[in-house]
Amino acid sequence: DQQVKQNSPSLSVQEGRISILNCDYTNSMFDYFLWYKKYPAEGPTFLISISSIKDKNEDGRFTVFLNKSAKHLSLHIVPSQPGDSAVYFCAASSNFGNEKLTFGTGTRLTIIP
Amino acid sequence: NAGVTQTPKFQVLKTGQSMTLQCAQDMNHNSMYWYRQDPGMGLRLIYYSASEGTTDKGEVPNGYNVSRLNKREFSLRLESAAPSQTSVYFCASSELAGRTNEKLFFGSGTQLSVL
Repeated sequence: DQQVKQNSPSLSVQEGRISILNCDYTNSMFDYFLWYKKYPAEGPTFLISISSIKDKNEDGRFTVFLNKSAKHLSLHIVPSQPGDSAVYFCAASSNFGNEKLTFGTGTRLTIIP
Repeated sequence: NAGVTQTPKFQVLKTGQSMTLQCAQDMNHNSMYWYRQDPGMGLRLIYYSASEGTTDKGEVPNGYNVSRLNKREFSLRLESAAPSQTSVYFCASSELAGRTNEKLFFGSGTQLSVL
């Protein structure tokens, strides 16, 4: 049972436009959410996170939005750059029941020059 | 600044063979993890070690064993490899497990094929 879902396996966006990556979760106990970025032949690297007490967190070109009632979060990249082409993983964790990070299946983002 | 180092990067095994994947971190982190990545499945936790001297099962522990050799090193052993264990394996570390804001630092992965 996939508790963290990324329903779009791939996404192509024109350079300079906005990229929006989506993530849904089912476990209402999740209270912290992270996005990781992964290039080929490398390990995932942390990108941005958000606590459930917030609904938005911004870091430069990257903004994560959290809608707790819908159990949905999204990552916005503005403007998109060729170096943003990678696989993006959404992850969630909970301080209750010693839940470890649960990852989504990933979305491959391709930025078209 | 090496971070998390995994060896080997690539390995091909025959069914039934055994091998150990090595992982070391130089960030003085307390917690270490082993994940596997499969197409369409995301990253799944195999085992983790919250601190030196402790290990716990994750989501998919069957067929694996781990050893937390010291604070720096955490190895993953396949005693009798099966084709279902063909995957990319990632080691990761974090400062302290159990905190909801824990951020993982990953190694570059081991591509394992079991024939």
